[in-house]
Amino acid sequence: ETGVTQSPTHLIKTRGQQVTLRCSSQSGHNTVSWYQQALGQGPQFIFQYYREEENGRGNFPPRFSGLQFPNYSSELNVNALELDDSALYLCASSRPGQEYGYTFGSGTRLTVV
Amino acid sequence: LAKTTQPISMDSYEGQEVNITCSHNNIATNDYITWYQQFPSQGPRFIIQGYKTKVTNEVASLFIPADRKSSTLSLPRVSLSDTAVYYCLVGALIYNQGGKLIFGQGTELSVKP
Repeated sequence: ETGVTQSPTHLIKTRGQQVTLRCSSQSGHNTVSWYQQALGQGPQFIFQYYREEENGRGNFPPRFSGLQFPNYSSELNVNALELDDSALYLCASSRPGQEYGYTFGSGTRLTVV
Repeated sequence: LAKTTQPISMDSYEGQEVNITCSHNNIATNDYITWYQQFPSQGPRFIIQGYKTKVTNEVASLFIPADRKSSTLSLPRVSLSDTAVYYCLVGALIYNQGGKLIFGQGTELSVKP
């Protein structure tokens, strides 16, 4: 029980489609980050939200967008899916003042065909 | 954030002590060293964090020499369930770094009976 829940666990989409991935963080965790992990690689930072606003972004195009809601849930939206978007998408959260140890969810495995 | 270098893979046997060394020659003064563990199809899990000398918790020990240009994660008496990928990360405390964790490729540890 990690305290961070992601849905769905697996998803298959067609190239060009749009997808929304969801994350539910622990109560009080007002910072959420999203990561993309390709097979055999380490996770890559997509962006972070703090108090419902984006406050950090990695090297990902604008078709990757997100939302954070007051109830500690968040979404990752990807438009115009490409085959290279196939990956494990991870959500991680932290609470105010937390020094270390982001809590990660188990991820959503997205396959684009 | 400092780049890290660690072995791609390591093999061990049950009951042995495993030491995984990470090189981070460009570590900054305010950087901490953090290790995460990741099982297949799961998100990374925080193991241990340190700044200098030695840190020990119920799972592992972290040894950091005086120059802080490297660190060693020590797993005592590994079991089959320790088979996973281990990531070494270097950066400021998470509330000071805008959420961005930089993962390398990690070390794939295989524990055999």
